Amino acid sequence: AQKVTQAQTEISVVEKEDVTLDCVYETRDTTYYLFWYKQPPSGELVFLIRRNSFDEQNEISGRYSWNFQKSTSSFNFTITASQVVDSAVYFCALRRNAGNMLTFGGGTRLMVKP
Amino acid sequence: DTAVSQTPKYLVTQMGNDKSIKCEQNLGHDTMYWYKQDSKKFLKIMFSYNNKELIINETVPNRFSPKSPDKAHLNLHINSLELGDSAVYFCASSQERIQNTEAFFGQGTRLTVV
Repeated sequence: AQKVTQAQTEISVVEKEDVTLDCVYETRDTTYYLFWYKQPPSGELVFLIRRNSFDEQNEISGRYSWNFQKSTSSFNFTITASQVVDSAVYFCALRRNAGNMLTFGGGTRLMVKP
Repeated sequence: DTAVSQTPKYLVTQMGNDKSIKCEQNLGHDTMYWYKQDSKKFLKIMFSYNNKELIINETVPNRFSPKSPDKAHLNLHINSLELGDSAVYFCASSQERIQNTEAFFGQGTRLTVV
């Protein structure tokens, strides 16, 4: 069975602080895919990144960066110099190689205060 | 142009009624999904469907049924609505043949059963 755990249910930071959202996953598959989605207050789910299990390179996109560590089954997400517009619920998700359904973590609500 | 669109965005109905939520994708994807997000923001897969196979999450009551008139549409029918069905329902699509494509989500339908 697959499982995704986002232990931080809520994080509050002040604008311009850096913040890291944790994601730990469990799977017996050797090939799998990891994702992060953002759900702003308006409610839609916005894709941020996907990562294949065989690609452990970290990735940076503007103020966003992702740290994938297979040894600890973690796929953490860091926002540098946070902004109020980053306030949202962030979901980490896992997909098996065989099949396309996503298993989501419980989400982390990030509140960025001015 | 909206990639995945759902209608209606809001649906308020009484217990015992039958209702449908429509979903259309214009991405040419071959697989569509329905996810349920409960009041605690937990996202869970309900169905995965392509023109070959319907995969049902075993926890979904049989009052819920997906219907696909063609590859671009996957509607969700719910019979005998119950209070516990109140949630946000998300439609999504992806391309199955390319395993690591992300899923694109609709804007969600907030269903309230009174």
